[in-house]
Amino acid sequence: AIQMTQSPSSLSASVGDRVTITCRASQDIRNDLGWYQQKPGKAPKLLIYAASSLQNGVPSRFSGSGSGTDFTLTISSLQPEDFATYYCLQDYIYPFTFGPGTKVDIK
Amino acid sequence: EVHLLESGGGLAQPGGSLRLSCAASGFTLDDFAMTWVRKAPGKGLEWVSFSSGNGHNTYYADSVKGRFTISRDNSKNTLFLQMNSLRAEDTALYYCAKVVYSGSSSGFDYWGQGTLVTVSS
Repeated sequence: AIQMTQSPSSLSASVGDRVTITCRASQDIRNDLGWYQQKPGKAPKLLIYAASSLQNGVPSRFSGSGSGTDFTLTISSLQPEDFATYYCLQDYIYPFTFGPGTKVDIK
Repeated sequence: EVHLLESGGGLAQPGGSLRLSCAASGFTLDDFAMTWVRKAPGKGLEWVSFSSGNGHNTYYADSVKGRFTISRDNSKNTLFLQMNSLRAEDTALYYCAKVVYSGSSSGFDYWGQGTLVTVSS
């Protein structure tokens, strides 16, 4: 199975900060990667699919980039509602695999 | 409006079985692939299983292969997950989600609120 890693595992940031989370796949997954946000007690939410396509209704401060093995999720200006855990998911080949998550909390 | 409602979770003994259901509304189930994802307490998300729209293609995580079976009754707009030979490590909140495609890439665009499975003696 493809292994996914994320860095950092957690970060502290302030409202208005630019935040970058990276995800790395153990093999080439083209652009078959999504990013999900999960808040405590809530279901995950799709933010980005196909590495860089913004899901309908997701604010434009979220963006994704990368292909192959290295991917990035960027939040251009962190808002209070963005404090959450973020996961990448490879959908290139079964079994699909999530990264371990990056927790973004308030500095 | 798309809505997914999971049910069937509860307490099971190790080695026991449970059958989870996911009732879909607001869309026609056989037009879409569906998936199950779980989150164990204090851990991250884990992809569990996938079913194509017609149910003919199914896939599983290595951790559940041979023990879990995904199926669907499209006439009742319901997805299922039959869980056998349960282990303590299967304890988790189980979510069903609808799959959307963009070319070869997919995303899970709608999620239920989850049903809790606890495996303990």
